[in-house]
Amino acid sequence: ETGVTQSPTHLIKTRGQQVTLRCSSQSGHNTVSWYQQALGQGPQFIFQYYREEENGRGNFPPRFSGLQFPNYSSELNVNALELDDSALYLCASSRLAEGSYNEQFFGPGTRLTVL
Amino acid sequence: AQSVSQHNHHVILSEAASLELGCNYSYGGTVNLFWYVQYPGQHLQLLLKYFSGDPLVKGIKGFEAEFIKSKFSFNLRKPSVQWSDTAEYFCAVISSGGSYIPTFGRGTSLIVHP
Repeated sequence: ETGVTQSPTHLIKTRGQQVTLRCSSQSGHNTVSWYQQALGQGPQFIFQYYREEENGRGNFPPRFSGLQFPNYSSELNVNALELDDSALYLCASSRLAEGSYNEQFFGPGTRLTVL
Repeated sequence: AQSVSQHNHHVILSEAASLELGCNYSYGGTVNLFWYVQYPGQHLQLLLKYFSGDPLVKGIKGFEAEFIKSKFSFNLRKPSVQWSDTAEYFCAVISSGGSYIPTFGRGTSLIVHP
């Protein structure tokens, strides 16, 4: 069973640039969630995708957007990068069933630094 | 909106000491509660969870947590810590009947000295 993988591991960008982060879900999972973890903080929910549609969103501006593909892999896109976007970005996958919660499995994260 | 407070941000213990990490949440309805652990250089992983039933739940590696509804608390405990328990610990809550999206606390850094 392949776990959740993310790429790249590290990334350095400058203010105003755009970035795309990628995630491959664990086999058999149909839901992907993205989190931002700033230094010294817990993960903050950005959004969740289920069956290729956004299924919930946290308190993040529209310049944070995402996609989920038919194979359940996902992308997180951030436009017009700001210094405060520097963080560890975590992807988590799970198998969502109606009316229940299933454990999320996290990837190793992508460390984004904005200069 | 739900929120989670972890009051101990940094804890330093010697091996064999007992551990208790505090977690309080603010939400008046039914909740599901979790503790996650992040060992150095590893992925965030689930330590234990409470959905319903016995409020004392046991997780992996000898950890347990007790849900006290009247105190809105879900404290994590371990009777005797080991050096390998050095990690970041995160408490999280999901409100039942919602979108099953967890809210995490800011985490507690535990260092265990051999």
